[in-house]
Amino acid sequence: NAGVTQTPKFRVLKTGQSMTLLCAQDMNHEYMYWYRQDPGMGLRLIHYSVGEGTTAKGEVPDGYNVSRLKKQNFLLGLESAAPSQTSVYFCASSTYPTDTQYFGPGTRLTVL
Amino acid sequence: AQSVTQPDIHITVSEGASLELRCNYSYGATPYLFWYVQSPGQGLQLLLKYFSGDTLVQGIKGFEAEFKRSQSSFNLRKPSVHWSDAAEYFCAVGAQNYGQNFVFGPGTRLSVLP
Repeated sequence: NAGVTQTPKFRVLKTGQSMTLLCAQDMNHEYMYWYRQDPGMGLRLIHYSVGEGTTAKGEVPDGYNVSRLKKQNFLLGLESAAPSQTSVYFCASSTYPTDTQYFGPGTRLTVL
Repeated sequence: AQSVTQPDIHITVSEGASLELRCNYSYGATPYLFWYVQSPGQGLQLLLKYFSGDTLVQGIKGFEAEFKRSQSSFNLRKPSVHWSDAAEYFCAVGAQNYGQNFVFGPGTRLSVLP
């Protein structure tokens, strides 16, 4: 039982490049989330999903897109990376929206 | 919408000393409250949670937290800190409203002196 996994762990992009972050969970959770963590700002919700085939915007969705084609996977895409997107990205999942969220180990992204 | 404040950005304590990390929330109804810990370079791990019932909640690693409705607080405590407790601690509020269900505080960084 791996819990929540994220790939890759580290990535460096140049401004304007695109990439996709993959999150996978093996706990059969309906809800999945993408957060970004920046110093002094805690975690901010980018997008979330309440089930396979659904996505919704969180607090800071601009510049990001997501897809949830399979229940166990939640993809975060950056179409044209900007230096302001340099951050640590965390994926999480939960059984229902107010229950414990289980986090992945994070992806450290640097945009030059 | 709900919000969470953690008044202390950074706290330093000596190993063996007691610890209290403060968390205050703003929410109109009974909240679901959580404390998470993040070790350097790691993801977040749940320490404890409060949904209802006994207002004193026990968690992992010897931590406990007390929900005080009158003060809108959910402070985290530990009677004797270990060097391995050095980490960042996040308080979070879960709300019933659909959408922004979970709000995290900005975090408190704990340093432990030998």
